[in-house]
Amino acid sequence: QVTLRESGPVLVKPTETLTLTCTVSGFSLSNAKMGVSWIRQPPGKALEWLAHIFSNDEKSYSTSLKSRLTISKDTSKSQVVLTMTNMDPVETATYYCARLNWFSGNYLDYWGQGTLVTVSS
Amino acid sequence: SYELTQPLSVSVALGQTARITCGGNNIGSENVHWYQQKPGQAPVLVIYRNSNRPSGIPERFSGSNSGNTATLTISRAQAGDEADYYCQVWDSNTAGALFGGGTKLTVL
Repeated sequence: QVTLRESGPVLVKPTETLTLTCTVSGFSLSNAKMGVSWIRQPPGKALEWLAHIFSNDEKSYSTSLKSRLTISKDTSKSQVVLTMTNMDPVETATYYCARLNWFSGNYLDYWGQGTLVTVSS
Repeated sequence: SYELTQPLSVSVALGQTARITCGGNNIGSENVHWYQQKPGQAPVLVIYRNSNRPSGIPERFSGSNSGNTATLTISRAQAGDEADYYCQVWDSNTAGALFGGGTKLTVL
């Protein structure tokens, strides 16, 4: 079955760079019909899309965060990595990765359980 | 930029029908997807492409989309349906997903 699992630090300091890894199983990152997205959710707030990457390595980023985000993938390891520079305390949130089914209509059909990242000194 | 507007909260009596709306300019021309998120859990896709249910989602969940409003309808509401619900479209300007602000459903 399809699963996604996020991993990374639980605590980062302000101005540091956050690096998160999404490890997928049950599908291949070379699947032309799928991609992987990152989404975050501050406590008690709404979902916010951050970035995604497709099998052909095409990438897209949130307009407001584009200068600080980098997404990449290692197909052989079934991993997608997101880096976000210059972290701020207001970016304390649960960070999710999810499979993007772009072929059938650009929806997120499978999600990881999320990882809570706290930004604090 | 495109925006999706959802009511902050919706209440429904046990066993009755709940309707959660998602407003957007000419949203009827978009594919709208809906997610359910229970406290402490990841979102779960409940409706895709306006009115399609993924495998395992009860038939009580249905969707429609026309004009400036998409609607998620939950029939015979159960206590287990209490959750936050989010609509989502694809923003072609940013080539990314766009979420509504979320609606908290309370079953009375």
